[in-house]
Amino acid sequence: QQQVKQSPQSLIVQKGGISIINCAYENTAFDYFPWYQQFPGKGPALLIAIRPDVSEKKEGRFTISFNKSAKQFSLHIMDSQPGDSATYFCAASRDDKIIFGKGTRLHILP
Amino acid sequence: DSGVTQTPKHLITATGQRVTLRCSPRSGDLSVYWYQQSLDQGLQFLIQYYNGEERAKGNILERFSAQQFPDLHSELNLSSLELGDSALYFCASSFSAGLNTEAFFGQGTRLTVV
Repeated sequence: QQQVKQSPQSLIVQKGGISIINCAYENTAFDYFPWYQQFPGKGPALLIAIRPDVSEKKEGRFTISFNKSAKQFSLHIMDSQPGDSATYFCAASRDDKIIFGKGTRLHILP
Repeated sequence: DSGVTQTPKHLITATGQRVTLRCSPRSGDLSVYWYQQSLDQGLQFLIQYYNGEERAKGNILERFSAQQFPDLHSELNLSSLELGDSALYFCASSFSAGLNTEAFFGQGTRLTVV
C-alpha cells in the first residue's frame, strides 16, 4: 500500500527556533517531493519542493533534506516566526500519482 | 492570490442531491486537478485533466465525474451525495502535464451535505 507518513501531527516551537517536520514514503517511483503550507480557510500553497537527484534544497528560511536510501525527507524552518503558524503537508508524486501526508499543525509561540 | 478561481465558496445540500463545482485555472495553465480534503482522509487527489482530456485518476468515486471545457475551465460533478461527501474540494492548476510539478491551488469549495 502506498502511503506517505508524516510526523509529528502537531508541533509547538518558540519564536526563533527551528521547526522540523518529517515524512517517509514507500514507492521508489516517486520523483517529486513538495511541501505545502495551508492557512485556515485557504488552499494549500507550494512552499518548497525537491527532486531525488539532490539531497538538500534551501529557499530562504526553508530547507528540505532528502535521504533517498531511507526514503525519508524533512522540512526545516529556521528562525520560526508566528506567521509560520499553519498546517504543513508533505507529498510524494510521480507523473500520474500524488499522495499527501496527513499534515502537521505548527504553532509558533510569540 | 494563486490565480485559480473556484465557485461557489460554500455549498449546502441534502443527501441524494447533485452539485457542480466550478474551477477556472490560472491564465495559460493547461492542467486542472481536483482534490478532496476531509478530516479523516486528509488531502486526496481525485482526477486530472490536461488540455481537455482526462490524464490521471486518483481516488475518485464512481458517483463523481469531471470535465474540462475548451476554454480550460473545469467542473466537478458530485451526485447521489452522502453525508460522508462533506469536505473541502480544491482545484489546482499548472502549465505542465504531470502531477510531479508545481501546482497552484484555489481557495476551495466547502461542501456540506445534510
